[in-house]
Amino acid sequence: KAGVTQTPRYLIKTRGQQVTLSCSPISGHRSVSWYQQTPGQGLQFLFEYFSETQRNKGNFPGRFSGRQFSNSRSEMNVSTLELGDSALYLCASSLEGPSSTEAFFGQGTRLTVV
Amino acid sequence: KQEVTQIPAALSVPEGENLVLNCSFTDSAIYNLQWFRQDPGKGLTSLLLIQSSQREQTSGRLNASLDKSSGRSTLYIAASQPGDSATYLCAVNSGGYQKVTFGTGTKLQVIP
Repeated sequence: KAGVTQTPRYLIKTRGQQVTLSCSPISGHRSVSWYQQTPGQGLQFLFEYFSETQRNKGNFPGRFSGRQFSNSRSEMNVSTLELGDSALYLCASSLEGPSSTEAFFGQGTRLTVV
Repeated sequence: KQEVTQIPAALSVPEGENLVLNCSFTDSAIYNLQWFRQDPGKGLTSLLLIQSSQREQTSGRLNASLDKSSGRSTLYIAASQPGDSATYLCAVNSGGYQKVTFGTGTKLQVIP
């Protein structure tokens, strides 16, 4: 059974540009969450999608947005990139959303903003 | 607001030792707690998931316990091996929908 797939694995962008990251969850999983990991802040929750609807959102500016498609694949977009957006972006999928179910993570997308 | 603390931040042990990693959280109203390992530059690998109604979970050489009343979880690793070297993270789910708070992690080094 395939795991969570994130593409691309690495990205280098310039300040002011925008970027789109993709996450394909485990087959059958309907919940996809996104996290940002930096050395200074650790892992921080960005948002969660379930059945194409954003159910929860962390404390990030509106430059960070996402969406989920009918096949549960999710994309995350960051506009007007800043140097501080450089991070490892992780997505996690779970069956229903995590009141009771285990979350599985992808390998992440390493974004570098120069 | 849930806060999760992991102590120690780093740990170095000789191969074969048994060891305990700690995770503390401030709000005991949780749905579950999950332990992960992360290798450098990689994603997170799920180790154990403990539901709020459970006291412990075991998988191979790993045993995780949960004491909600005191806001603590421990991850016990028996007979440590160099391949166990990684950063270990605990994640507490205390929100309604996938709102998870991660600890800062314990970086473990097992010396051959």
